Amino acid sequence: DAGVIQSPRHEVTEMGQEVTLRCKPISGHDYLFWYRQTMMRGLELLIYFNNNVPIDDSGMPEDRFSAKMPNASFSTLKIQPSEPRDSAVYFCASSKAALDYGYTFGSGTRLTVV
Amino acid sequence: AQSVTQLGSHVSVSEGALVLLRCNYSSSVPPYLFWYVQYPNQGLQLLLKYTTGATLVKGINGFEAEFKKSETSFHLTKPSAHMSDAAEYFCAVTFSGGYNKLIFGAGTRLAVHP
Repeated sequence: DAGVIQSPRHEVTEMGQEVTLRCKPISGHDYLFWYRQTMMRGLELLIYFNNNVPIDDSGMPEDRFSAKMPNASFSTLKIQPSEPRDSAVYFCASSKAALDYGYTFGSGTRLTVV
Repeated sequence: AQSVTQLGSHVSVSEGALVLLRCNYSSSVPPYLFWYVQYPNQGLQLLLKYTTGATLVKGINGFEAEFKKSETSFHLTKPSAHMSDAAEYFCAVTFSGGYNKLIFGAGTRLAVHP
């Protein structure tokens, strides 16, 4: 099992550019989560999906952020346009329906907007 | 609403000393509780979890935690710290029917000194 795979690992972009972060969850996991981690705010849940359907996007900071899950094996988080305050580590995690399993996190994407 | 409070953003211990990381939760229904560890530049890794049953749970790397309902606590302990335990530790809570949505604490950074 390759675990949750995120790409890219690092992204440096200029303010105003579009950024797309990618995530491949573990096969068979029904839930997918996007988190953002910063020193100031810690771990913030942005959005999560169940069976590819967005369930709760109340953590998405603003309309510049969007997330999709076109199928069970792929999800994207897009920021357009990006701003310096979006600089953070973005984590994707997946889990089975039974919470006993807990989450499996990817290694994260470190985003720097200059 | 559910919440998690981790007491102490930084904890420092000597190698071989007891590790105690504190976590208190707030939940109006029986909680499911988790501890995660994050090593530098990595994603979060599940250490241990409590859902139902035995209140003392054992996890990986010699860590354990005890669910104390009367104290609304789920403190993490390890009898003897090792240099490799230096990391950030996160407590998290959810509940049955919580749609797998985990609420994380702010984290405690553990330093281990020779």
